[in-house]
Amino acid sequence: AQSVTQLDSQVPVFEEAPVELRCNYSSSVSVYLFWYVQYPNQGLQLLLKYLSGSTLVESINGFEAEFNKSQTSFHLRKPSVHISDTAEYFCAVSDSSNTGKLIFGQGTTLQVKP
Amino acid sequence: DAGVIQSPRHEVTEMGQEVTLRCKPISGHDYLFWYRQTMMRGLELLIYFNNNVPIDDSGMPEDRFSAKMPNASFSTLKIQPSEPRDSAVYFCASRKRDGYTFGSGTRLTVV
Repeated sequence: AQSVTQLDSQVPVFEEAPVELRCNYSSSVSVYLFWYVQYPNQGLQLLLKYLSGSTLVESINGFEAEFNKSQTSFHLRKPSVHISDTAEYFCAVSDSSNTGKLIFGQGTTLQVKP
Repeated sequence: DAGVIQSPRHEVTEMGQEVTLRCKPISGHDYLFWYRQTMMRGLELLIYFNNNVPIDDSGMPEDRFSAKMPNASFSTLKIQPSEPRDSAVYFCASRKRDGYTFGSGTRLTVV
């Protein structure tokens, strides 16, 4: 079985500062990893995902995450945040076989202050 | 592509009443998932289907909860009888290969 731990429940940061949201996972098999973003009163939107290949994956809005197998981590980073990045961010894992259950962490609330 | 469609968006019901939540997955997606989101427990996987067959319902909290998928384009999650602690946002998601798409959710309030 897989599990996900998001180490910070809230991350306050000033606009234009860098940010890192931490995610660690546990699994006995190969995994796919995902970051989703949820804006207030909305559903979940895929931000980026790691399936295979390059361990560094990027989103279209400046976020990136790096898969580190030895540390079982998939931290999300952005070099300069905007007010509009204020949202809840969820790390998720599924096994790379075809069972495909997506298991979520508890979420991290990113609060960007002016 | 209209995405995953859930209805209703909001539901307010009285304790003891039956509640039915509906989901239309993306055409061609062969997996369907039901999740529940609360402040206390985060996002919990309740049940998922593959090709309309329930695969894992270990997350369904109690016998009051049931889910069906009579065909590839429709699924329901039913709570009977409902209780205040069932108040949450319920999400449906569908998946093809490694791509998961979520609906906008149904916010359920049981009073």
